[in-house]
Amino acid sequence: EPEVTQTPSHQVTQMGQEVILRCVPISNHLYFYWYRQILGQKVEFLVSFYNNEISEKSEIFDDQFSVERPDGSNFTLKIRSTKLEDSAMYFCASRKYRGEGNTEAFFGQGTRLTVV
Amino acid sequence: KQEVTQIPAALSVPEGENLVLNCSFTDSAIYNLQWFRQDPGKGLTSLLLIQSSQREQTSGRLNASLDKSSGRSTLYIAASQPGDSATYLCAVPSSGNTGKLIFGQGTTLQVKP
Repeated sequence: EPEVTQTPSHQVTQMGQEVILRCVPISNHLYFYWYRQILGQKVEFLVSFYNNEISEKSEIFDDQFSVERPDGSNFTLKIRSTKLEDSAMYFCASRKYRGEGNTEAFFGQGTRLTVV
Repeated sequence: KQEVTQIPAALSVPEGENLVLNCSFTDSAIYNLQWFRQDPGKGLTSLLLIQSSQREQTSGRLNASLDKSSGRSTLYIAASQPGDSATYLCAVPSSGNTGKLIFGQGTTLQVKP
């Protein structure tokens, strides 16, 4: 069964360092997302990406964050200068369609980012 | 602004019990609702997607219902097993056109042998 794959599963970084979280969405999906979940809190939306551009971003997704789809398979989230409060589980998701119809979203296993 | 609430926050039941998890949402203009399972420290596994035109959706021992007009969904788990222990999340698409999901806080279920 197709699945969303994320690497690494766990990343520890020093405050101020840049990190890149990687995702391989399901191959025939068109819509891509990053979410994050701070320990004990709700899963919250960061950014959506379609047709090689950001379609929506949350208030959390400030200038320190960027996303890229460098080739036909990878989807990356970059945090330029990490802060302690960026420590969270980051989830990548993809869906084939949006709107009406069978638009199930599939999530990866997450990358646990720890900023020290 | 869409808000999703799940009650109870935690539930502990003996093995074999049937149970109901609740999800409510404030904006009834949704086109589907999705239930997920999350094991501790793990990712989100999609359990069921229920369309706005459906009232129920079933997968094995799981049955999800949706009442858009009242802003509620329930997830019914029949004959619970210790392996069902996990956090169950419901999520609805936001009113925008991007397909982003708004999540509830989740219900953490413990099924005791």
